[in-house]
Amino acid sequence: GAVVSQHPSWVICKSGTSVKIECRSLDFQATTMFWYRQFPKQSLMLMATSNEGSKATYEQGVEKDKFLINHASLTLSTLTVTSAHPEDSSFYICRVLVAPGLAGYEQYFGPGTRLTVT
Amino acid sequence: QKEVEQNSGPLSVPEGAIASLNCTYSDRGSQSFFWYRQYSGKSPELIMFIYSNGDKEDGRFTAQLNKASQYVSLLIRDSQPSDSATYLCAVNQRVGNKLVFGAGTILRVKS
Repeated sequence: GAVVSQHPSWVICKSGTSVKIECRSLDFQATTMFWYRQFPKQSLMLMATSNEGSKATYEQGVEKDKFLINHASLTLSTLTVTSAHPEDSSFYICRVLVAPGLAGYEQYFGPGTRLTVT
Repeated sequence: QKEVEQNSGPLSVPEGAIASLNCTYSDRGSQSFFWYRQYSGKSPELIMFIYSNGDKEDGRFTAQLNKASQYVSLLIRDSQPSDSATYLCAVNQRVGNKLVFGAGTILRVKS
């Protein structure tokens, strides 16, 4: 079964509103969560790295005041797109890193959230 | 120069043939390499990862790594129409466990 969930799976919102996307690890604690964005016919672009209890680290060119990331627990990270605009319409995917075990780090992708801003 | 480069394709192969997908990367210090398959509208799913030079086989899939040439490839034997998807090459950066993705290669397997 799925080890990472995202909610919602898709959302349509009006321009100027804010949208919150959740990434949740199921049955395990995630040391680090990454947020990616994928525009149509393009590859995944890393937006930010999120560690529980600390501020997210944003990639160059990603506005931290627009894309708010909260990693309040070892199983939940949220991405809030504030004052969304049509150009924010994209597929948002989280990637979860599990603390190293015998085989090293394990990583899992969430199923993604399709955001459409009208 | 992009950190991870792939030919966008589409690569078309007949059913039953071998599909060969290639990827080059710029960071010579990269240690781990991944191949993902992504169907339209879905999240990437891991096919294989490779850390050491040489070949690694898993069923119909073989990953090949040549660190000296900074080159990774994925071979798909006995290609099936269900293999039609976008294949993403990803390289793990040394710092921060960040995965950097290539643009992906579209594979079309024709029956």
